[in-house]
Amino acid sequence: ETGVTQTPRHLVMGMTNKKSLKCEQHLGHNAMYWYKQSAKKPLELMFVYSLEERVENNSVPSRFSPECPNSSHLFLHLHTLQPEDSALYLCASSRSDGLGYTFGSGTRLTVV
Amino acid sequence: SQQGEEDPQALSIQEGENATMNCSYKTSINNLQWYRQNSGRGLVHLILIRSNEREKHSGRLRVTLDTSKKSSSLLITASRAADTASYFCATDGGTSYGKLTFGQGTILTVHP
Repeated sequence: ETGVTQTPRHLVMGMTNKKSLKCEQHLGHNAMYWYKQSAKKPLELMFVYSLEERVENNSVPSRFSPECPNSSHLFLHLHTLQPEDSALYLCASSRSDGLGYTFGSGTRLTVV
Repeated sequence: SQQGEEDPQALSIQEGENATMNCSYKTSINNLQWYRQNSGRGLVHLILIRSNEREKHSGRLRVTLDTSKKSSSLLITASRAADTASYFCATDGGTSYGKLTFGQGTILTVHP
């Protein structure tokens, strides 16, 4: 257990479904991140929240919608996904200066 | 654009041998970090080296950084079968929050 917990571990969803990924950290960190890891591609940074404010959105399609209600929780709301969105979605947290980066175990998402 | 690029893409060695992985990057950095990922799981932070450091050790790990060549290497000495994993370098370009840019990784296989 790294201190960053992601649920669910696995998710299979149809293209018309709506689902949410959850990330929770109890490390006292002030920054949280969503990354996408697809086969044969480097980890791609999707969103960054620092002090509960979204500070980066790397041209992510609007079918992915992040939410950070407080510094301990981060969600990724999913709707009308495409099969190419199937990937491992990793959450991470860090201190506000970027140190102490800690990753969760990820959610393996399959879109059918 | 991709910042860190690891070399080789895959490395296969026998237990007890040393494993060396290299990483090159393109822009200036605050620090460079190495991570390990077991199949389908989250990333585990191994070691961080700051831009003003040249070498760092942690147990069986040795990391070097050459900012003039924009490259780093990770050496794992006396490898074990349990070291089998993917290894990634990530650069922190020094935004006010943490933002890591990852390479594609080296897949290390250590045969017993």
